[in-house]
Amino acid sequence: QKEVEQNSGPLSVPEGAIASLNCTYSDRGSQSFFWYRQYSGKSPELIMSIYSNGDKEDGRFTAQLNKASQYVSLLIRDSQPSDSATYLCAVLYSGAGSYQLTFGKGTKLSVIP
Amino acid sequence: GAGVSQTPSNKVTEKGKYVELRCDPISGHTALYWYRQSLGQGPEFLIYFQGTGAADDSGLPNDRFFAVRPEGSVSTLKIQRTERGDSAVYLCASSPTSGGFNEQFFGPGTRLTVL
Repeated sequence: QKEVEQNSGPLSVPEGAIASLNCTYSDRGSQSFFWYRQYSGKSPELIMSIYSNGDKEDGRFTAQLNKASQYVSLLIRDSQPSDSATYLCAVLYSGAGSYQLTFGKGTKLSVIP
Repeated sequence: GAGVSQTPSNKVTEKGKYVELRCDPISGHTALYWYRQSLGQGPEFLIYFQGTGAADDSGLPNDRFFAVRPEGSVSTLKIQRTERGDSAVYLCASSPTSGGFNEQFFGPGTRLTVL
């Protein structure tokens, strides 16, 4: 069973604070992990990918991966009101020639000015 | 076009009717994916094409759903005998290669409402 779990929120943080979004997954063999941002009424857009244990930084975003704990997180530093959106965690399940992304339900983030 | 396009943007139909949803991927992208997103949920995988062939259709919920990509570009998702539970946003995405999710882009979606 391919499962990706996220706290649906909403998560509210004040402007300028660090927002921490968490995700756990069920398949220990998974190798590729993605974070998408989805504004209300819009389609998802990729913001981060991570494949190795540890941290990966891109601007104000840091993705963290711990394969032993089957845990992925996304930190957003200096949160801005424009970061208010739903953040989707996705895990790639690949095998037998297929590539299938499984998404969590998403965490809704509100950044309060 | 520059991005993935989907038509129609909205579709309202009656229970039991047949609908077709179209996806036009980014030019040159060989991999194409269909997802369904219900309110408050993440996208749910339906089917994945590599070129003209369906490489994985394990996400299609039942045999009322079918998708084609006859020339390896435009794809059509077909739903027969629609049910109210089929109401959702249907998203299409494409990437240059299979597994190339760092370069996968989503279309704007088709919102399907079954009355």
